Amino acid sequence: GIQVEQSPPDLILQEGANSTLRCNFSDSVNNLQWFHQNPWGQLINLFYIPSGTKQNGRLSATTVATERYSLLYISSSQTTDSGVYFCAVGKTSGSRLTFGEGTQLTVNP
Amino acid sequence: DVKVTQSSRYLVKRTGEKVFLECVQDMDHENMFWYRQDPGLGLRLIYFSYDVKMKEKGDIPEGYSVSREKKERFSLILESASTNQTSMYLCASSLLPQRGSRFLLYQPQHFGDGTRLSIL
Repeated sequence: GIQVEQSPPDLILQEGANSTLRCNFSDSVNNLQWFHQNPWGQLINLFYIPSGTKQNGRLSATTVATERYSLLYISSSQTTDSGVYFCAVGKTSGSRLTFGEGTQLTVNP
Repeated sequence: DVKVTQSSRYLVKRTGEKVFLECVQDMDHENMFWYRQDPGLGLRLIYFSYDVKMKEKGDIPEGYSVSREKKERFSLILESASTNQTSMYLCASSLLPQRGSRFLLYQPQHFGDGTRLSIL
């Protein structure tokens, strides 16, 4: 099946810093989503981005489908950005997702 | 906004019990999914369904079954709960792919808040 690798596995930032999270995948995909899992375990949709670039406030994402990677940018990080960020991709019918192992982000005040 | 509701946030059951986890979505989505999340293993797909009474095995279906009698509801069943099924369970839903000008446009999945299940 498709492989999804996220880097870095852990990231510690000071409030106000910028960061880039990376997601590599092993095959062409029809679906790519970025999620934030908060400390209560809730998975929040950040972006649906199988290709191109999107922005939402301090967050933006870019997927280069031909090169099989996606980047999530977080600017001016805040303590509420802490949590685990997951990249998930879908290739087969029903758009079932395969998840990476996530990046654990800690933003310190 | 899409609302995916899981019946319990926390659940404690005993080994050998039959356990039902319920998931309801309010957006008339065709696809529904059950995942489990474990430390170091990420989220893994257990079962999914793309229509009423239809089901497909995911990556780790052993020890589980599902039921989809109505479009809005997808139930995960642990036939005889075991301690290795202690986990976080997440339900998701999505629309079927939509036909665009040349390609099928796949649709994002929306997740419920999760159920932390402990089997003692």
